[in-house]
Amino acid sequence: KAGVTQTPRYLIKTRGQQVTLSCSPISGHRSVSWYQQTPGQGLQFLFEYFSETQRNKGNFPGRFSGRQFSNSRSEMNVSTLELGDSALYLCASTISAGHEQYFGPGTRLTVT
Amino acid sequence: AQSVTQPDIHITVSEGASLELRCNYSYGATPYLFWYVQSPGQGLQLLLKYFSGDTLVQGIKGFEAEFKRSQSSFNLRKPSVHWSDAAEYFCAVKGNSGGSNYKLTFGKGTLLTVNP
Repeated sequence: KAGVTQTPRYLIKTRGQQVTLSCSPISGHRSVSWYQQTPGQGLQFLFEYFSETQRNKGNFPGRFSGRQFSNSRSEMNVSTLELGDSALYLCASTISAGHEQYFGPGTRLTVT
Repeated sequence: AQSVTQPDIHITVSEGASLELRCNYSYGATPYLFWYVQSPGQGLQLLLKYFSGDTLVQGIKGFEAEFKRSQSSFNLRKPSVHWSDAAEYFCAVKGNSGGSNYKLTFGKGTLLTVNP
């Protein structure tokens, strides 16, 4: 079974721009979660989607948004990029809340 | 709120030596517990998990972890470390009910260096 895939793997954007990251979960997994990883803050939960609905959201500003499609693929969008948004963005999928999460390789976003 | 503490930021061991990485958690009941490993520039790979039952759990790559409720700990161990084990290790907790069971809360990680 193929693992979680994320595209693109690397991205360089300028402050003020917006960016969209994509995640394809493991086949059969309907829940997709997003995490931000930075050296200073570590791994932080962004949001979780299940069956095209955002069920939960972490403590991030409204510039961070996401969506999930009927095939469980998910995208996250960051608008009006700030230097502090530079991070590794990780997507994870799971069958359900009571199961383990499997992570993709991440998208490395650099904001200049 | 749930939280995880990994007291050791960086550990160095010699190849072939034993390893123990510490993890303490805070949660009102028995949570779901996990250990993940991350190599540079990569995502997180699940090493092992504890949901219930036997408190000593076996994982991949020869790792094991022991859940100790009285100490709120979930330490990761390996009897003989290989050079390829050099990576960063994250302990994580997830609630098992209600509004806390959707997200993982991670520790800050322990960076493992293996000397030849």
